[in-house]
Amino acid sequence: DVKVTQSSRYLVKRTGEKVFLECVQDMDHENMFWYRQDPGLGLRLIYFSYDVKMKEKGDIPEGYSVSREKKERFSLILESASTNQTSMYLCASRPTGTEGRVPQHFGDGTRLSIL
Amino acid sequence: GQNIDQPTEMTATEGAIVQINCTYQTSGFNGLFWYQQHAGEAPTFLSYNVLDGLEEKGRFSSFLSRSKGYSYLLLKELQMKDSASYLCAALNTGNQFYFGTGTSLTVIP
Repeated sequence: DVKVTQSSRYLVKRTGEKVFLECVQDMDHENMFWYRQDPGLGLRLIYFSYDVKMKEKGDIPEGYSVSREKKERFSLILESASTNQTSMYLCASRPTGTEGRVPQHFGDGTRLSIL
Repeated sequence: GQNIDQPTEMTATEGAIVQINCTYQTSGFNGLFWYQQHAGEAPTFLSYNVLDGLEEKGRFSSFLSRSKGYSYLLLKELQMKDSASYLCAALNTGNQFYFGTGTSLTVIP
C-alpha cells in the first residue's frame, strides 16, 4: 500500500512566522501535490511537482512556496503566515507514465491554525 | 476554465439507495474520479470513469456521460458507515485534478 505521511496532524503558529509542512511518500511516485481544504470551497491546488526540483503553480499559489529536493519529499512553505492561511492542508502523490485511472494517494492532512 | 459542481448535502436512510450527481467542465478531460472522505481523515479512492457508461464495484457504482459533462455515484444498501463526504474530481491531460466542493452524506437509521 502507498503511504503518504505528513509530518504533523495539528500545528499552531503565529502571524508572520515562516511555516514548513513536510510530506513524504514511500512509493517512488514522480508527482506530488499540495492542496488546502476549506468548508464550502473543497480542495484547491496550491502547487504540484512532477519531478525532483520541478514545480508548477496551482490555482492559489500566492503566499506559498514549495521545495522538492528529493523524490520522496515535498515541502510546503508559508513564507510569512497570515490568519487567512488557517486551513486543512493535504498532500498527495501519484505515479506518472501510467494510464489515467491511477488515483492520487493522500496523506492524513495537517490542520494548521495561524493566530 | 474548470468548473465542478455537486450538491452540498444529502440525507438518506439506512438500506436505501442514493445518487450523488456531479457536473464538470474541464479542458483536456482525462477521467472522472470519486473519493470518499470521513471527517478528519484523508480522501480515499472509490472509482474512476473515462469512457461513457456505468462502472460497478460492489455496493458502489459510478456513471459517466462525457457529452453531457455529467457523472453520478450510486450507493446501494446504505450503511451508517457510508456517512461521509464524497468528492468528485476531474483529471485533465495536464495531470491536474479539479475537485468539487464535496457532498456531505448523512445516513439516518
